[in-house]
Amino acid sequence: GQNIDQPTEMTATEGAIVQINCTYQTSGFNGLFWYQQHAGEAPTFLSYNVLDGLEEKGRFSSFLSRSKGYSYLLLKELQMKDSASYLCAVLTPGGSYIPTFGRGTSLIVHP
Amino acid sequence: NAGVTQTPKFQVLKTGQSMTLQCAQDMNHEYMSWYRQDPGMGLRLIHYSVGAGITDQGEVPNGYNVSRSTTEDFPLRLLSAAPSQTSVYFCASRGTESYEQYFGPGTRLTVT
Repeated sequence: GQNIDQPTEMTATEGAIVQINCTYQTSGFNGLFWYQQHAGEAPTFLSYNVLDGLEEKGRFSSFLSRSKGYSYLLLKELQMKDSASYLCAVLTPGGSYIPTFGRGTSLIVHP
Repeated sequence: NAGVTQTPKFQVLKTGQSMTLQCAQDMNHEYMSWYRQDPGMGLRLIHYSVGAGITDQGEVPNGYNVSRSTTEDFPLRLLSAAPSQTSVYFCASRGTESYEQYFGPGTRLTVT
């Protein structure tokens, strides 16, 4: 089976840095996604990690450790508009290559 | 490109009614999927398709049917709606060159 864990909710201050963790136990591993979802809207793609290490994309970075079954999303210089849910999703081998999603982390950024 | 479109945006059904949620994409993507999203449950896969004429079940397929007669369209049918099907439904698609999925705006369904 697939098990993907994320914290339910986090709060942070505007201008700060926040790290959202994701741990997974899955039958095989092909890659890990992070999506952002604002309230009432569709998820939008942030990152896709296949190999171990840190990938940086502007204010957002994503890290992966396959041996530990662990990833994190790092958000720097937080802005109010970063208040959203952040979804971790794991891609596993199979004919469909459809990712399995965690329950998401709701991030609240306050002034 | 319109991307992934879904209709309707909102729908209220009575228990036992049937309806079809529409999903279309104009990106010539082979892979399409339907998810439902409930509070605290994340996105759960209902059905998916890897190409026209090919569909398969996801994690929570009971009570839903799909078909894929064209590359562009992937409708989701509720044959006899139940209150447990109250949810937000997202359709997504992706091409063969990338694993990134593109999501539609969602349909908010309430079954009373």
